[in-house]
Amino acid sequence: GQQLNQSPQSMFIQEGEDVSMNCTSSSIFNTWLWYKQDPGEGPVLLIALYKAGELTSNGRLTAQFGITRKDSFLNISASIPSDVGIYFCAGPSGSARQLTFGSGTQLTVLP
Amino acid sequence: GAGVSQSPRYKVAKRGQDVALRCDPISGHVSLFWYQQALGQGPEFLTYFQNEAQLDKSGLPSDRFFAERPEGSVSTLKIQRTQQEDSAVYLCASSMLAGGRETQYFGPGTRLLVL
Repeated sequence: GQQLNQSPQSMFIQEGEDVSMNCTSSSIFNTWLWYKQDPGEGPVLLIALYKAGELTSNGRLTAQFGITRKDSFLNISASIPSDVGIYFCAGPSGSARQLTFGSGTQLTVLP
Repeated sequence: GAGVSQSPRYKVAKRGQDVALRCDPISGHVSLFWYQQALGQGPEFLTYFQNEAQLDKSGLPSDRFFAERPEGSVSTLKIQRTQQEDSAVYLCASSMLAGGRETQYFGPGTRLLVL
């Protein structure tokens, strides 16, 4: 089946710094989604990308859908403590209804 | 408004016991999905419903796993004769649409520990 590879696995950054994480796949995705999961909660959708080359922002978050449709990245600018959590990339596969998730990037923001 | 709710939030079962996990989707949402999330991993698809019809159950790991949504609203995921490898967080998600550019809204999950 399709697999998504996320990097880095974990990041430790200082408050105020910018963060970049990415996701790659060996096969094409027609939609890229970025979710955030807080401890004890389910994933929450941050940004959805539907078109190759698309660059979309949501506040301090910016994500891009790679031209090859096999990668995507997420940037967070001026990080704050509440950015702590696990960030997942995901995309529909198989029946196009089920989501395939990456293994996540654990973000820690140090004061 | 109310989001997706799941119960129980935590479940401890002895190996061999049957468990039932409940999902209450957002009111009016047509589609309902179940995912399994192992520790340190991303969620993995189990099955999904459109109204009461189970359209894809390709992700269910064995015939011990069974899901139903008899009235097209509340869904139950049942695991029979639980094994230690069933320990995971079970996430439910619902969406308003029946495909296309849908957003899946996730519940908080049920944390299952099989001893």
